[in-house]
Amino acid sequence: ETGVTQTPRHLVMGMTNKKSLKCEQHLGHNAMYWYKQSAKKPLELMFVYNFKEQTENNSVPSRFSPECPNSSHLFLHLHTLQPEDSALYLCASSQQRALPGPYNSPLHFGNGTRLTVT
Amino acid sequence: AQSVTQLDSHVSVSEGTPVLLRCNYSSSYSPSLFWYVQHPNKGLQLLLKYTSAATLVKGINGFEAEFKKSETSFHLTKPSAHMSDAAEYFCVVSVSGNDMRFGAGTRLTVKP
Repeated sequence: ETGVTQTPRHLVMGMTNKKSLKCEQHLGHNAMYWYKQSAKKPLELMFVYNFKEQTENNSVPSRFSPECPNSSHLFLHLHTLQPEDSALYLCASSQQRALPGPYNSPLHFGNGTRLTVT
Repeated sequence: AQSVTQLDSHVSVSEGTPVLLRCNYSSSYSPSLFWYVQHPNKGLQLLLKYTSAATLVKGINGFEAEFKKSETSFHLTKPSAHMSDAAEYFCVVSVSGNDMRFGAGTRLTVKP
């Protein structure tokens, strides 16, 4: 899948570091997402941006800070993380309808960033 | 409220035998349903989707799923497993907007 590109693929950081994850989509979609995937847990939705506006923030700690400068790019800024934040962070995009209605546009995922916090 | 339950956390089959991965959903409205596959160290790839058209949905790599409203099920099947099918599979239900609920996943093992 080359439509959604995430960098870096792997990241090891200490608890006092500041780093950023980057996501870029080449599909012309208008919505972008950050998900967290931990071992033996369902996928957790963290943030959603529709038309560059943040529409959801699912009680994510403030040490995670998203940024969406345009509809093709999404960042996740990380600072003072905890070891339990170690996980696979997945970015996704989709084409959202402008009007309310049943959601039927699937998500397109990147390959993720494997984050290890030491 | 909507939710999805994948009935098996792990399924093991022999190469060349049928695959059945079970998914039940709960939704107050007509849902959209999806199956995704995730290979090791990769993101999730869409296998197929149901969005209130035909109840039998064909996807990539020979997979298909049947929407059964009376049973609130959306099971994923394949007639003959291949070694490359070994992966984690996720069932997803969505009613509207960004509200997509992922199942816990089913790990498929394919034995030679």
